[in-house]
Amino acid sequence: NAGVTQTPKFRVLKTGQSMTLLCAQDMNHEYMYWYRQDPGMGLRLIHYSVGEGTTAKGEVPDGYNVSRLKKQNFLLGLESAAPSQTSVYFCASSYADSDTEAFFGQGTRLTVV
Amino acid sequence: GNSVTQMEGPVTLSEEAFLTINCTYTATGYPSLFWYVQYPGEGLQLLLKATKADDKGSNKGFEATYRKETTSFHLEKGSVQVSDSAVYFCAPRDSGGSNYKLTFGKGTLLTVNP
Repeated sequence: NAGVTQTPKFRVLKTGQSMTLLCAQDMNHEYMYWYRQDPGMGLRLIHYSVGEGTTAKGEVPDGYNVSRLKKQNFLLGLESAAPSQTSVYFCASSYADSDTEAFFGQGTRLTVV
Repeated sequence: GNSVTQMEGPVTLSEEAFLTINCTYTATGYPSLFWYVQYPGEGLQLLLKATKADDKGSNKGFEATYRKETTSFHLEKGSVQVSDSAVYFCAPRDSGGSNYKLTFGKGTLLTVNP
């Protein structure tokens, strides 16, 4: 059982370049999330989705876009990367049941130079 | 919505020492409570959970009790090991219509020395 898979695991971008991070889950979870983790800042929610075809803004959405065309996939796009977007990005997914935990991917370490 | 206040680290202990990481939360409803652990270079994973008042979650020697009257969910372990070195996150989860909301504390870095 793969769980939550993120690709790529590492990436270096130049300022102004674009890229897409892919998150795939095989647990039939309704909810999916994108977080960024920076030193001393904990996890900050970028965007989330409560179902196929729906997305919503989180705490720090500026500079990012997302899409959830299929239930199992949640894509995070950076249209024009900036050094401030250097971070570790985590995808998570969960069932709608509040008694259940979220499952996290292994993270994508992104450096924007 | 929920918010969570978690003891900030870093916390440095010697092997076999007793560990407590405090966590208090505010909630409009009756959340489920989770502790997650993040080992170096990895994503978060569930450590333990409790879904109703007075429940005790436990795993790998760690324990936490859902205290509704004090809105707390403190993490404890009687004897830590070097392998417990990680970042720990307290996380209440809303119930009802807001159950998509996952709230995380800022994390507590634990380092256990031999």
